[in-house]
Amino acid sequence: DVKVTQSSRYLVKRTGEKVFLECVQDMDHENMFWYRQDPGLGLRLIYFSYDVKMKEKGDIPEGYSVSREKKERFSLILESASTNQTSMYLCASSFDRTLYNSPLHFGNGTRLTVT
Amino acid sequence: AQSVTQPDIHITVSEGASLELRCNYSYGATPYLFWYVQSPGQGLQLLLKYFSGDTLVQGIKGFEAEFKRSQSSFNLRKPSVHWSDAAEYFCAVAWRGQNFVFGPGTRLSVLP
Repeated sequence: DVKVTQSSRYLVKRTGEKVFLECVQDMDHENMFWYRQDPGLGLRLIYFSYDVKMKEKGDIPEGYSVSREKKERFSLILESASTNQTSMYLCASSFDRTLYNSPLHFGNGTRLTVT
Repeated sequence: AQSVTQPDIHITVSEGASLELRCNYSYGATPYLFWYVQSPGQGLQLLLKYFSGDTLVQGIKGFEAEFKRSQSSFNLRKPSVHWSDAAEYFCAVAWRGQNFVFGPGTRLSVLP
């Protein structure tokens, strides 16, 4: 089974702090994604990556950046955390962009609270 | 822009009753279709997927879904709900060359 591991289940940070959310997948997947999930809004794509050192903006990239230095690891960075970034963050991976039917495999999520 | 709708925000059923969760999508091309389930505090787990062929697909945990091209729908069904099915359910759609689009989710409550 594919395993996507997010380093923290819960995080509490202060406004203005720099926050790192880490995600690791163990199945040699090409694609990795960061979503945020908010009640009534479903999942919204923040950033994604189809290859090492490659990144593309999703639907709501403002206030975030990402890093993919190794194929298995995809980090989400909040440069200066704000209260409106309080949310559940979900990391996902999938096998190959050319396989359009390749399903997403999700981690268990990180619930971030910014005070 | 492509969109996915799940008309029911919250559904309550009794244990043992049948269940149908609705999903509709926009855009003309036939997409790839998925249903995911999310238990409280957890990530999303893939229930089933449709790519082509038989329009009735079977998934895990006794779920099935039917693709109806004429209605742009991909409804999820289960003949007899168990208390452990209480969760949030997300329909997701992927069009060729595009990222996944998720519906807003339907929360399922199960009465004993």
